[in-house]
Amino acid sequence: ETGVTQTPRHLVMGMTNKKSLKCEQHLGHNAMYWYKQSAKKPLELMFVYNFKEQTENNSVPSRFSPECPNSSHLFLHLHTLQPEDSALYLCASSQDPPGAGYNEQFFGPGTRLTVL
Amino acid sequence: KQEVTQIPAALSVPEGENLVLNCSFTDSAIYNLQWFRQDPGKGLTSLLLIQSSQREQTSGRLNASLDKSSGRSTLYIAASQPGDSATYLCASNFGNEKLTFGTGTRLTIIP
Repeated sequence: ETGVTQTPRHLVMGMTNKKSLKCEQHLGHNAMYWYKQSAKKPLELMFVYNFKEQTENNSVPSRFSPECPNSSHLFLHLHTLQPEDSALYLCASSQDPPGAGYNEQFFGPGTRLTVL
Repeated sequence: KQEVTQIPAALSVPEGENLVLNCSFTDSAIYNLQWFRQDPGKGLTSLLLIQSSQREQTSGRLNASLDKSSGRSTLYIAASQPGDSATYLCASNFGNEKLTFGTGTRLTIIP
């Protein structure tokens, strides 16, 4: 058990649907991340939250909307997605954010998203 | 541009052999480097984290080294086992808010 959980593990949605991905970390960490992993491409950082505040938005389209109500929970709200958004979405957490302190990242199992 | 490269993309090795996985990065001003393994369809498992002030880290059969001057890191796996089969990813922290990942090396241990 990595200490980072994600739900759902699999999601199929149409382009007009609205859905949310959930991530929860049980490690007492202060920073949380969303990554996108597409086939044949390196992991792409999407968002970084440090102490519930968004500190990085890596030029992500507005159809992806993150929410971090507290240091333990992170959501990714999805609406009007495109088929090319189909990918594995990974959540991670670290004690401190990159560039400061101890920032080894621990990952959840991911949500496999398919957009039809 | 800060980039991380892993070559080869795939590697097959007979069980019991020692092996080395390679990772190269373009910016020597690295803050730390982390090695992960990823099993098919699963998330990433952190293996080792090397700070910029360190030369290597060891965990069981795994040893990771860091050479900032040459822009290289290696992951050494001793006495390989079929359970080591996975994709191995390295990621560099260049001191900003991001981890920059390589595309990984898919390792297959042949029984």
